[in-house]
Amino acid sequence: KAGVTQTPRYLIKTRGQQVTLSCSPISGHRSVSWYQQTPGQGLQFLFEYFSETQRNKGNFPGRFSGRQFSNSRSEMNVSTLELGDSALYLCASSSGPAGSTEAFFGQGTRLTVV
Amino acid sequence: KNEVEQSPQNLTAQEGEFITINCSYSVGISALHWLQQHPGGGIVSLFMLSSGKKKHGRLIATINIQEKHSSLHITASHPRDSAVYICAVRSLQGGSEKLVFGKGTKLTVNP
Repeated sequence: KAGVTQTPRYLIKTRGQQVTLSCSPISGHRSVSWYQQTPGQGLQFLFEYFSETQRNKGNFPGRFSGRQFSNSRSEMNVSTLELGDSALYLCASSSGPAGSTEAFFGQGTRLTVV
Repeated sequence: KNEVEQSPQNLTAQEGEFITINCSYSVGISALHWLQQHPGGGIVSLFMLSSGKKKHGRLIATINIQEKHSSLHITASHPRDSAVYICAVRSLQGGSEKLVFGKGTKLTVNP
């Protein structure tokens, strides 16, 4: 069974640009959640999608958005990038709502904003 | 004060030692997770607990719901156990459920 796949693995963007990250969950998993990890703040919850619906959202500005497609693949978008958005972005998939069942994490996308 | 506190922040051990990492939380939870993160970023879910105790190989996780505390134990530690161990809780806050993470415990096991 293929694991959680995140693309791209590395990305360099300029301040003010926008970026889209992709996450393909494990086959059969309907829940995808996104997290930001920085050295200062650690891991922080961004949002969670279940069956194409955003179920929960963390405390991030509206520049951070996401969506989930009918095949459960999810994308995360960050507009008007700031230097502070440089981070490792992780997604996790699970068969049930995030945190209620075992989560499987992707390798992450390391975003650098210059 | 963080909603999830881990201790210690850093831990160095000799191969073979028994290791304990602690996690305390201040919010109501529906589940608690222990995660392992190796250099390079990949995260592996070790345990998901809502009560009692779970064991997998040399790893044991316990949770005390009344005391809002969980521990992760590693028996007969090995250098390959060197990683950051992260405690996370699923809590209901402001009508929204989300995972809240501790800052992690960096474990180094020397041969």
